[in-house]
Order: sequence, then structure tokens, then C-alpha cells
Amino acid sequence: DGGITQSPKYLFRKEGQNVTLSCEQNLNHDAMYWYRQDPGQGLRLIYYSQIVNDFQKGDIAEGYSVSREKKESFPLTVTSAQKNPTAFYLCASIGTVKNTEAFFGQGTRLTVV
Amino acid sequence: GQNIDQPTEMTATEGAIVQINCTYQTSGFNGLFWYQQHAGEAPTFLSYNVLDGLEEKGRFSSFLSRSKGYSYLLLKELQMKDSASYLCAVRDWGNNRLAFGKGNQVVVIP
Repeated sequence: DGGITQSPKYLFRKEGQNVTLSCEQNLNHDAMYWYRQDPGQGLRLIYYSQIVNDFQKGDIAEGYSVSREKKESFPLTVTSAQKNPTAFYLCASIGTVKNTEAFFGQGTRLTVV
Repeated sequence: GQNIDQPTEMTATEGAIVQINCTYQTSGFNGLFWYQQHAGEAPTFLSYNVLDGLEEKGRFSSFLSRSKGYSYLLLKELQMKDSASYLCAVRDWGNNRLAFGKGNQVVVIP
């Protein structure tokens, strides 16, 4: 079945450590996105990518990095420079040809202790 | 850039109809998405509008007016399971940037 997969679902890290969140899709979608959601808040855009080897900063890119080496994969690294990394992270992809396909992964809940 | 505005919360009775509004400003419009999000879960896709008019999908309908920068999501025959946050998102032309409003929390009561 086609879909978008984030892993892990829950992640705990010590303060000061970098951590990478995985996002994989087998939908043949070109565009992929990373969002951060804090309790009771909306989704804020971190980074997005239209095609392989290309990505742009969103509204809150500081302290994060991404790569897009393959069409299927768009990993997000939360670096030690991110001041308040504890949040719910969501990855999404949208079909360029079939614009009605716009799906999210299940999300990764990151807790930094 | 994009600026998206949604009211924050509303309460409605089971079986009723509720309309959730979304206004937006963007430099180049390339579609508006509606999502439903239950607490602690990822958003699920509800509808997509890129041309003016009404799109109907079962109990849910979405309307778009590009000239007014306005969309609404209509939920009919409300059920308890419709209690959730409803998010609108606007995509930019050219760079495919997708930005969300803060969401509208709908509480359905018996």
C-alpha cells in the first residue's frame, strides 16, 4: 500500500544531542514538507522540498537541517542549536500531478530531557 | 509570503451543520487544502479547492472564492466523532510552499 511513514513515533533525547527524524513516502510525490506542532497550536513550517536535491527554509528553520537525496526520503535533523526542540513533528507530501493527494505521516513526538 | 486566518473554537450540537471559515493572503495562489486533526494524531486530508466554487464529499463540503481570499468548510449532520481541529492550508504558486492556519477547534455536544 502507498503511504508516508515517519519513524520513530516517540523519541527521547538528552539536551545537546542532535537527532534525525525519518520520513519516507512511496507515493511518487515530488513535494515534501516538515512541520512542528506545539500543544494547542497550529502547524508551523520548518523546511520543504519541491524536488530531489532542492529544499527551502520555512518559517522556523533555525536549529534544523534537512536533505533530499532521494525522492522518497526527506529526513529532518534537530540540532543542538534548536532552543526548544520538544514538540510533535509532522511530515507531509503532495502529489504534483494529482494535487488532491496530500498526506501526512503519523508524526514523531520528540521529547528532550 | 502567506497569511492565513481562522477562528479558534466553536461548539455545535450533534446533527447540526457547522461552517468553518478561512481567509488568506498570498502572493500566488495554487490551491487550498482542508484537514481534520484529532487530538494527539496527525492531520487527515479532507478536501482540495483550486477553482472557485463548491466541492462536495459526503457530509463535508468546501467552498472557495479566490477573488475574496476566502474558503469555508461545511460539516453537515454532525457526529460526535467530528469533534476535532480543522485546519486550512494554502499552497503558493511556483515554490509549492504550504502554510497552515492555526486551526479551528470544533466541539460537538449531544
